[in-house]
Amino acid sequence: DGGITQSPKYLFRKEGQNVTLSCEQNLNHDAMYWYRQDPGQGLRLIYYSQIVNDFQKGDIAEGYSVSREKKESFPLTVTSAQKNPTAFYLCASSPNTGELFFGEGSRLTVL
Amino acid sequence: QQQVKQSPQSLIVQKGGISIINCAYENTAFDYFPWYQQFPGKGPALLIAIRPDVSEKKEGRFTISFNKSAKQFSLHIMDSQPGDSATYFCAARGNKLIFGTGTRLQVFP
Repeated sequence: DGGITQSPKYLFRKEGQNVTLSCEQNLNHDAMYWYRQDPGQGLRLIYYSQIVNDFQKGDIAEGYSVSREKKESFPLTVTSAQKNPTAFYLCASSPNTGELFFGEGSRLTVL
Repeated sequence: QQQVKQSPQSLIVQKGGISIINCAYENTAFDYFPWYQQFPGKGPALLIAIRPDVSEKKEGRFTISFNKSAKQFSLHIMDSQPGDSATYFCAARGNKLIFGTGTRLQVFP
């Protein structure tokens, strides 16, 4: 089946630890995105990449890092510098039409 | 100018009723206005979208009304069903997609 796969679905982290969220797509889309979702705040853009080996900061990039070494993969690292990392993280990809296709999300909880 | 303002934050509708969610924007350069539907624990999925040269678009029970002069657009869900209970996000695209803050819709039997 074509789609976007995010893993893990649930992740617990101790303060001070880095964690990496995986996002893989087999839709052959050029563009990929990471959003953070908090209650009452909608979807906020963390990072996006329009082609391999290139990515740009979104609106809330501080404390996060990404890489885009392959077209299919766009992992997000939540670093210890992110002050409030507990959230629901959504990965998306997009063809040239502009429509976003989302994965099922990863819920990160910092203990 | 890059914001999209969405209201209401939550909405309770009886089965068979009409659900209406409103969005407003400032940037006249926005060229694409989608609505996404999100069920709990899932990612959002595109529901319906409109471009600014059209005033209305209907797909089944879902209709977008677009008022370019007022810079407003709204989602109407006719004959609302319990299965429509979800969070709905409007969005607008300039050089990137800007999302509203979401509306949690609950449809009771």
